Amino acid sequence: DAGITQSPRYKITETGRQVTLMCHQTWSHSYMFWYRQDLGHGLRLIYYSAAADITDKGEVPDGYVVSRSKTENFPLTLESATRSQTSVYFCASSHTFTGEGYTFGSGTRLTVV
Amino acid sequence: AQKVTQAQTEISVVEKEDVTLDCVYETRDTTYYLFWYKQPPSGELVFLIRRNSFDEQNEISGRYSWNFQKSTSSFNFTITASQVVDSAVYFCALSVDISGTYKYIFGTGTRLKVLA
Repeated sequence: DAGITQSPRYKITETGRQVTLMCHQTWSHSYMFWYRQDLGHGLRLIYYSAAADITDKGEVPDGYVVSRSKTENFPLTLESATRSQTSVYFCASSHTFTGEGYTFGSGTRLTVV
Repeated sequence: AQKVTQAQTEISVVEKEDVTLDCVYETRDTTYYLFWYKQPPSGELVFLIRRNSFDEQNEISGRYSWNFQKSTSSFNFTITASQVVDSAVYFCALSVDISGTYKYIFGTGTRLKVLA
């Protein structure tokens, strides 16, 4: 089915482990984004990508790594997970530069214990 | 600096009451977009409306209406005759060009509880 999918939907990991959250879109949208949602902060931008092999930092990039070797995939890696990275992560994509709106994935709830 | 303020953290109403969710934004850009999203208990983000900065026309969609006023930098959302299914967290967001890419800036959300 067409759309934007995130996996896993839920993840529990231990402090210090590496974990990768996957995001896949089937529209060939150029722009992709990762946000984290935390109580009291709304959603904050972690990283974004304007095209394959082009990524840049958002508001809260520390502790995260992204890559975009293919247009349709935009994985987010926590290299050494910390409890402060417990959050809900949303991936989004957009086909235009104009800011007319994103399409969001369903989110990944990550718990770091 | 760009900012979105949703001053109401949580609102509780009784079913069939009208409720207005406030959103105040800050930006110096002349071109920008404003959005409202609904996040029900299931967690996904549901798009409700988009407005661009050149279109101040208010909009009504069923029980939902939006009041965009550039003079006060506000984009308020009213639910008429609220229903229990309206219970959710509602986010207001501003989309502006930051370093050559449009990005969303979200408010902190307003949790709406509609009591039967």
